[in-house]
Amino acid sequence: EPEVTQTPSHQVTQMGQEVILRCVPISNHLYFYWYRQILGQKVEFLVSFYNNEISEKSEIFDDQFSVERPDGSNFTLKIRSTKLEDSAMYFCASSAGDSHYGYTFGSGTRLTVV
Amino acid sequence: GQNIDQPTEMTATEGAIVQINCTYQTSGFNGLFWYQQHAGEAPTFLSYNVLDGLEEKGRFSSFLSRSKGYSYLLLKELQMKDSASYLCAVSRGGGNKLTFGTGTQLKVEL
Repeated sequence: EPEVTQTPSHQVTQMGQEVILRCVPISNHLYFYWYRQILGQKVEFLVSFYNNEISEKSEIFDDQFSVERPDGSNFTLKIRSTKLEDSAMYFCASSAGDSHYGYTFGSGTRLTVV
Repeated sequence: GQNIDQPTEMTATEGAIVQINCTYQTSGFNGLFWYQQHAGEAPTFLSYNVLDGLEEKGRFSSFLSRSKGYSYLLLKELQMKDSASYLCAVSRGGGNKLTFGTGTQLKVEL
């Protein structure tokens, strides 16, 4: 079964540093997403990406965040100048656009800012 | 704004049936999803409802009433491995972004 792959699985970074979280969506999917889940809290939408541009972003997705699809397979989330409150599990997801099958989520990157 | 409510915790017995309810109030509605999430893992797709009524998929069924802003997930013949968090999520907007509830932690006991 096709998978969404995320790397790294764990990332520890110092406050103020930049991190890049990487994702390889399912190859024939057209819609890409980033979500995050702070420990013990609900999954929160960050951003959706379609046709090489952001289609929607949440209030969380401020100037500190950016996304990029640098080539035909990777989809990255960059967090500049990380803060303690950015510590969370970050999930990448992709969709073919047919909601009947839902999104496929990657296994996540656990980001710890110290 | 958006509001999705589901019980925080439920406990059920192996082999039994459990119903997890979800109510929602949201502007814009493309459909309602149910996901299963084991601790420390990614959400896994269970079901999708866009029209009123019941969708059945093996041991899992999901119901939607759009007029009432209400859905439930029905799990039959419970197994120990069904112990997990069950997330109700509403799809909104042209990009089909998902707004999640806080999840219902289901514990299946012998």
